[in-house]
Parts: sequence; C-alpha cells; structure tokens
Amino acid sequence: ILNVEQSPQSLHVQEGDSTNFTCSFPSSNFYALHWYRWETAKSPEALFVMTLNGDEKKKGRISATLNTKEGYSYLYIKGSQPEDSATYLCALAPDKLIFGTGTRLQVFP
Amino acid sequence: GAVVSQHPSWVICKSGTSVKIECRSLDFQATTMFWYRQFPKKSLMLMATSNEGSKATYEQGVEKDKFLINHASLTLSTLTVTSAHPEDSSFYICSAHEGPEYFGPGTRLLVL
Repeated sequence: ILNVEQSPQSLHVQEGDSTNFTCSFPSSNFYALHWYRWETAKSPEALFVMTLNGDEKKKGRISATLNTKEGYSYLYIKGSQPEDSATYLCALAPDKLIFGTGTRLQVFP
Repeated sequence: GAVVSQHPSWVICKSGTSVKIECRSLDFQATTMFWYRQFPKKSLMLMATSNEGSKATYEQGVEKDKFLINHASLTLSTLTVTSAHPEDSSFYICSAHEGPEYFGPGTRLLVL
C-alpha cells in the first residue's frame, strides 16, 4: 500500500511570512503528484499537477517543487495572506489518487 | 474550472435508515466519477470508481452492498449508504475527471 505523508500537520503563521510544507512519497514507480488547496466548506481546488523530476510550478505566490528520486515535493507560499488559510493536500497518482492527511495552514492578520 | 456539486451538504439520520448522496458535474460530462470518504484526522480514501452505464468498481474493504453506486447519466452519480450505522458517520466527497480531478464540496453524514 502506497503511503503519502505530509508535514507538518498544522501550521500557524503571521500575515506576510513565507512558509513551506512537505509531501513525501515512495520514489519508485512515480507517475504524478497533485497539490490541492481545500478551504473549509468548499471543494478542494487543484493547484498543480507535477510529473517530472525537478519540476517547479508557480501560481501567484504559491509554488511547488518536485524531487521524484528522493520522493518529496515542497509547497511554498510567499508572503502569506489570511485568505491562504486552508488545508493543503498532496496526492500521488499512479492509477488513482492517494492522498496525504494534509497540512492545515492558518494565517493570522 | 469545472464545477461539481454535491447534495446534501450534511445529513443526520437514524441508525438503520438509508441515505442517498448526489454528485453532479454541472458544466461538463463525466463518464467516470469517484467517491471518497474521510474519517477525522485521516486522509481522503477512495471508496469506489463510478462508471456511467456500468457497474462501479469498489476498493478493497468497501462493501458494495452497503454503498450502492448508480451512475445513470453523464452528469450524475449517486451513493446510497444502506442501513446506515453510527460507524458510517463520515465525510463523503465525490470527484469527476475533466483533465484534472474536480471535487464536490462533500457531504457530512452523522448516523445516530
């Protein structure tokens, strides 16, 4: 059974701080890694789909990197804002999505 | 992006009753939809893959007779939790493929 780990479980930062968190996964038979942003009472929103080792993707203040050889992906948020408060999920995609438990980010004004 | 709706958003029912949850793709057609379940402090776990016009494919350990899935049209899949018990209390969420996977907002089920 594939295991996807995310750390930390939760994070509290001040507005304006930059932050990052980690998604770890088995490095063998990698296919794709998805990042989602999930605000309370809303649908998870797709952020990135990463497939190639060394991939770096960016969407506004949010960026992600991928290392398939060592089995991890980082998500960075530059200059966090209160509206960034959400749970960030990563999911490994062999033939179906296998999710981590998420990192719950709270940004205080 | 594509929109997936889910209804109801929450439901409370008595033990032994059946509960139906609807998942709709609003602006696209989906031959495949997915049903996930999330217990507190756990990750989203795939329960089953719903295929339009054919039988659903269930993940190991998920009882197909308990969680009935119907995907009668290209925009609607339903999950019926039959004879629900307190241990079925959970958060159920569906998704559909339209390039990436688009999720509904989920349904919180509480069985008393």
